[in-house]
Amino acid sequence: DAGITQSPRHKVTETGTPVTLRCHQTENHRYMYWYRQDPGHGLRLIHYSYGVKDTDKGEVSDGYSVSRSKTEDFLLTLESATSSQTSVYFCAISVSGAQGHQPQHFGDGTRLSIL
Amino acid sequence: SQQGEEDPQALSIQEGENATMNCSYKTSINNLQWYRQNSGRGLVHLILIRSNEREKHSGRLRVTLDTSKKSSSLLITASRAADTASYFCATADSGTYKYIFGTGTRLKVLA
Repeated sequence: DAGITQSPRHKVTETGTPVTLRCHQTENHRYMYWYRQDPGHGLRLIHYSYGVKDTDKGEVSDGYSVSRSKTEDFLLTLESATSSQTSVYFCAISVSGAQGHQPQHFGDGTRLSIL
Repeated sequence: SQQGEEDPQALSIQEGENATMNCSYKTSINNLQWYRQNSGRGLVHLILIRSNEREKHSGRLRVTLDTSKKSSSLLITASRAADTASYFCATADSGTYKYIFGTGTRLKVLA
């Protein structure tokens, strides 16, 4: 399995609090992605990174920010959590991005509940 | 929505039968991938087919791609209880770094 660690694995917090999720990889892959998974919606892209300090928005980026100061770490921050952000969050990595005919490798997810 | 769609949403079959699931998408693609997700786990890559390929095999998996119809199918032959999972297609949009996932097919294989 690809070396991807998501932390925390579970978190319960209150509306209005800031939350940071971490994705750590040991594969030295250039591309990193954050998705959320909700029933009936499949996986939706929040933000992605194509290199250190290089990030871009995905389909559902409102209310989220990201940072990537090192190749191995990609942080997802909810500045002020809302109940609509209750979800399972997945990090994925890829060698070459969508154009390079390479698969994504996924972490096991973070289950986030916002009360 | 940019998302593709899988069909059917849920499928229940007996062990040993074949399972077929379909994926439709909306944009021009570079490749299409299929993933499996077991309950409570992350997605695992199964197979990738490029836009200039029509069919690909990997073990008990067979994937077809029809770019004129913007659709793909995944066939799992001689299914096993261990194949019980959700299956997702993902398309790599031409010209972007992004993947777009479908909503998934939940497969249940009964022993």
